[in-house]
Amino acid sequence: AQSVSQHNHHVILSEAASLELGCNYSYGGTVNLFWYVQYPGQHLQLLLKYFSGDPLVKGIKGFEAEFIKSKFSFNLRKPSVQWSDTAEYFCAVSPGNAGNMLTFGGGTRLMVKP
Amino acid sequence: EAGVAQSPRYKIIEKRQSVAFWCNPISGHATLYWYQQILGQGPKLLIQFQNNGVVDDSQLPKDRFSAERLKGVDSTLKIQPAKLEDSAVYLCASSLAPDGTQYFGPGTRLLVL
Repeated sequence: AQSVSQHNHHVILSEAASLELGCNYSYGGTVNLFWYVQYPGQHLQLLLKYFSGDPLVKGIKGFEAEFIKSKFSFNLRKPSVQWSDTAEYFCAVSPGNAGNMLTFGGGTRLMVKP
Repeated sequence: EAGVAQSPRYKIIEKRQSVAFWCNPISGHATLYWYQQILGQGPKLLIQFQNNGVVDDSQLPKDRFSAERLKGVDSTLKIQPAKLEDSAVYLCASSLAPDGTQYFGPGTRLLVL
């Protein structure tokens, strides 16, 4: 069975700082990779996903993530965060032949100070 | 477009009682999922339906949890009897196709005393 690790449980940044949230997974085969975000008081929503092709994936709101197969990683980045990026971020993985059998990481709470 | 609807939003029960949650997916979405999210953890998939058939329920504690999706639209998740460790947020999600983007509902927050 696959597992997902998000090493940073809480991150506090000032506005305009750069963001990188780590995500590592364990699974031997082909994977699909996702980042979900939950803004305060809102539903979980998809930020970006990787199925195949260019390992650098661009998502909504200026976020991007890079799939590094050799490191089993799918880190989320944003060059300059805003106060409105305050949220909880979840990395998720599914086996390549089961696109939606998601296994989530434990989440990272990001607080951006104005 | 209306999103995934869930009810109730909050529920408090005593251990050994039963409880049921309801989910109405986005119109036309054939695939429906139930997740359990314990405080401080990510969501854990409990069961996946394709129309009214079960695709995967390997992580559903079948001694106390049950779920159905009659007519391939609405779904209910039941816990009977509830235990303290069932306290969690129960999320419903739906997607147009088995490999499509999942859209999540607001969740039902359950507290078992």
